[in-house]
Amino acid sequence: EAGVAQSPRYKIIEKRQSVAFWCNPISGHATLYWYQQILGQGPKLLIQFQNNGVVDDSQLPKDRFSAERLKGVDSTLKIQPAKLEDSAVYLCASSLGAGSNYGYTFGSGTRLTVV
Amino acid sequence: KQEVTQIPAALSVPEGENLVLNCSFTDSAIYNLQWFRQDPGKGLTSLLLIQSSQREQTSGRLNASLDKSSGRSTLYIAASQPGDSATYLCAVQASGSRLTFGEGTQLTVNP
Repeated sequence: EAGVAQSPRYKIIEKRQSVAFWCNPISGHATLYWYQQILGQGPKLLIQFQNNGVVDDSQLPKDRFSAERLKGVDSTLKIQPAKLEDSAVYLCASSLGAGSNYGYTFGSGTRLTVV
Repeated sequence: KQEVTQIPAALSVPEGENLVLNCSFTDSAIYNLQWFRQDPGKGLTSLLLIQSSQREQTSGRLNASLDKSSGRSTLYIAASQPGDSATYLCAVQASGSRLTFGEGTQLTVNP
């Protein structure tokens, strides 16, 4: 089966600019996650979707980050305006469903550098 | 708030050595614990998943154990190879589906 697709692979922007990342999960996976991984740290959940509804966005900086999953398939994550501390790898993952019995599949990530 | 700690942060060993990576977590009310591998510039690959009712899982040269009451897990790698060089991440899943990750152990296996 095809994996989780993410684009772009790399992005360099200046602070205060905006940027968007795209994720296409595995076909049929109802649950989609966006994680932020700062260099040297483990990934941290930003937002979780179940189909096209938000399940958990408690750690999403909502003043500058937004995400949507229209039609319950693809998802976009946007940062506006970007700050230097947003430099990180943004990982998208999907699973068949929510809950402990479903494994995750991660994409290769988008590496964002804010200068 | 769940916190996950991994020790050591980095490890360098000669090829062929057996090694142990450690993971500890503060809240024992978990559904499962997972070990992931991350290669530079790549996403995460799931290695082993241990449900809270299980004590260990094995896959090839990898063996992971879970002691939920003490909040600890170990990943044992037998007969290490240079291809095992990567960052190994431990993550626990509690309520909902959120994974809480440790900061990882960066492993280098020298030929």
